[in-house]
Amino acid sequence: GAGVSQTPSNKVTEKGKYVELRCDPISGHTALYWYRQSLGQGPEFLIYFQGTGAADDSGLPNDRFFAVRPEGSVSTLKIQRTERGDSAVYLCASSPLAGINNEQFFGPGTRLTVL
Amino acid sequence: KQEVTQIPAALSVPEGENLVLNCSFTDSAIYNLQWFRQDPGKGLTSLLLIQSSQREQTSGRLNASLDKSSGRSTLYIAASQPGDSATYLCAVPSGGYQKVTFGTGTKLQVIP
Repeated sequence: GAGVSQTPSNKVTEKGKYVELRCDPISGHTALYWYRQSLGQGPEFLIYFQGTGAADDSGLPNDRFFAVRPEGSVSTLKIQRTERGDSAVYLCASSPLAGINNEQFFGPGTRLTVL
Repeated sequence: KQEVTQIPAALSVPEGENLVLNCSFTDSAIYNLQWFRQDPGKGLTSLLLIQSSQREQTSGRLNASLDKSSGRSTLYIAASQPGDSATYLCAVPSGGYQKVTFGTGTKLQVIP
């Protein structure tokens, strides 16, 4: 099956802790995206991978946020020293092509709550 | 910087009505525009993607139009059903065709 999957579906952590969020894209999709969605808002771009490299990380809010995609498939979004303001739904998407027809397919998201 | 606005923010209609959702964007130099649906607590489902060279796309009861020069797109839903209740989001690339900017969405409720 396969759609985009994300784990965990929910994560509750304490302020100051480190968290990792995982995304499994659709098999064969070369492009992978991370977004953050706050309540009542549209998703906000964080970072985009083309293959293993981060082609555009301009949406990462600060250096506490980091993402990797070491083998060009699964990606992990890492957040250090979490803050309450990091609470949001983190969405991952993938697309088959790097070109103009970049229809994005989204996972169900990980809801992060920082207490 | 690309800005995307969706009006109205919320809409409630009786079942069976035809309706139009609006999306406007400030930078008309876009490659495509995508409409999504989001159910509460869920991820986004792609509905339609319109390339910049196209004026409209249709899928079932959905029709999306694109007017690049005026920076506008509309999503037309025919014969609305309670199952159409969801938040509808439009998204356009900004600063290249991979980085995407989303609108804040229109929350639709179709009343049986």
